[in-house]
Amino acid sequence: GENVEQHPSTLSVQEGDSAVIKCTYSDSASNYFPWYKQELGKGPQLIIDIRSNVGEKKDQRIAVTLNKTAKHFSLHITETQPEDSAVYFCAASISSGNKLVFGAGTILRVKS
Amino acid sequence: GAVVSQHPSRVICKSGTSVKIECRSLDFQATTMFWYRQFPKQSLMLMATSNEGSKATYEQGVEKDKFLINHASLTLSTLTVTSAHPEDSSFYICSARRTAEAFFGQGTRLTVV
Repeated sequence: GENVEQHPSTLSVQEGDSAVIKCTYSDSASNYFPWYKQELGKGPQLIIDIRSNVGEKKDQRIAVTLNKTAKHFSLHITETQPEDSAVYFCAASISSGNKLVFGAGTILRVKS
Repeated sequence: GAVVSQHPSRVICKSGTSVKIECRSLDFQATTMFWYRQFPKQSLMLMATSNEGSKATYEQGVEKDKFLINHASLTLSTLTVTSAHPEDSSFYICSARRTAEAFFGQGTRLTVV
């Protein structure tokens, strides 16, 4: 089955700097890769996703890149703000209906 | 984005009683919903896949008689924790997929005393 590894487990950055979180997956059949932000005591919130037919997707300060050959994808947050502090999870699945397999999560702390 | 509503957000119950958690997709129909359990500082652990009109599919190690799942309509799935014990205390989260995208409920903090 699919296995997703996520690094780093914790990440501290200064406000205004960039943050990068990386994930690798094992199943070459996976074609959907979402990223979630989870704040304390809340459910995960979808912040960006990418499908296997594109290599990069950007939404304001957030971008995701995908390397299908190497089976890894990354989340990039630019101009970080204190409100970006949260736990971030990557996931992988085959589109539509199949379960998501999650990474272990990254605690991001943005210091002001 | 799509909205998935989960209720209640917090519940405290006595050992031996049962607790029902509801998960609703508010603006789309979901033939499949997912139930997760999350321990502090850990990732989401899939418990079961809820299928509308049929039996749920449970992950290995999850007791189906303890965690009863009902998916009676295209917008509602329920998780009932039966005969709850303190070790069942946890954060439970549901999810529904609209095509590829999966949206999550707000989560339910269950405390069994």
